[in-house]
Amino acid sequence: QVQLQESGPGLVQPSGTLSLTCAVSGGSISNSNWWSWVRQPPGKGLEWIGEIYHSGSTNYNPSLKSRVTISVDKSKNQFSLKLTSVTAADTAVYYCARRYYDFWRYFDYWGQGNLVTVFS
Amino acid sequence: DIQMTQSPSSLSASVGDRVTITCRASQTISSYLNWYQQKPGEAPKVLIYGASTLQSGVPSRFSGSGSGTDFTLAISSLQFEDSATYFCQQSYSTPSFGQGTRLEIK
Repeated sequence: QVQLQESGPGLVQPSGTLSLTCAVSGGSISNSNWWSWVRQPPGKGLEWIGEIYHSGSTNYNPSLKSRVTISVDKSKNQFSLKLTSVTAADTAVYYCARRYYDFWRYFDYWGQGNLVTVFS
Repeated sequence: DIQMTQSPSSLSASVGDRVTITCRASQTISSYLNWYQQKPGEAPKVLIYGASTLQSGVPSRFSGSGSGTDFTLAISSLQFEDSATYFCQQSYSTPSFGQGTRLEIK
């Protein structure tokens, strides 16, 4: 059973950088799947941020691309998110998730979520 | 970007009822449509992928249909535990989600 666990600061100052890590257990990050970040502002819907493959290839949401970097550390079986120049609009629960890359490409495993609040 | 629009945004139904939630894509997405259930304080859970395939372990009262731009999630014989928010998500291109449908069980 694959498990994902987010970790990182719960508070970030405006204009600062949000950094989160997702540890993967119960399976290798080097299999044929992509690893994503998805966020959800309080009381709102889901927004896909981006994803990474174990080779380091990435895809990003065009609306966030200029501020997002996703990286992978295969030796630690984890991947990370950096979001720069944050504002209050970036306050959200941040989930890491596995995108199962069969024909349909759906999110089958999720972390429990990490609430990040942007305030000074 | 492909926009996903769900309706209704919320609904209330009774135990034993059958409900449907619709999802419309701004352009054709073939059958690259997935449905998720999210309960308060929890991560989303996939119910259906490829528009109509039930994820392992999901009760058979959940079903999905549609292709192209119009899709439906149906829940028959509602149970109390079905109270949740439901999201559709397209995987035809850069992933995007519908805004969600909140289902209350009376």
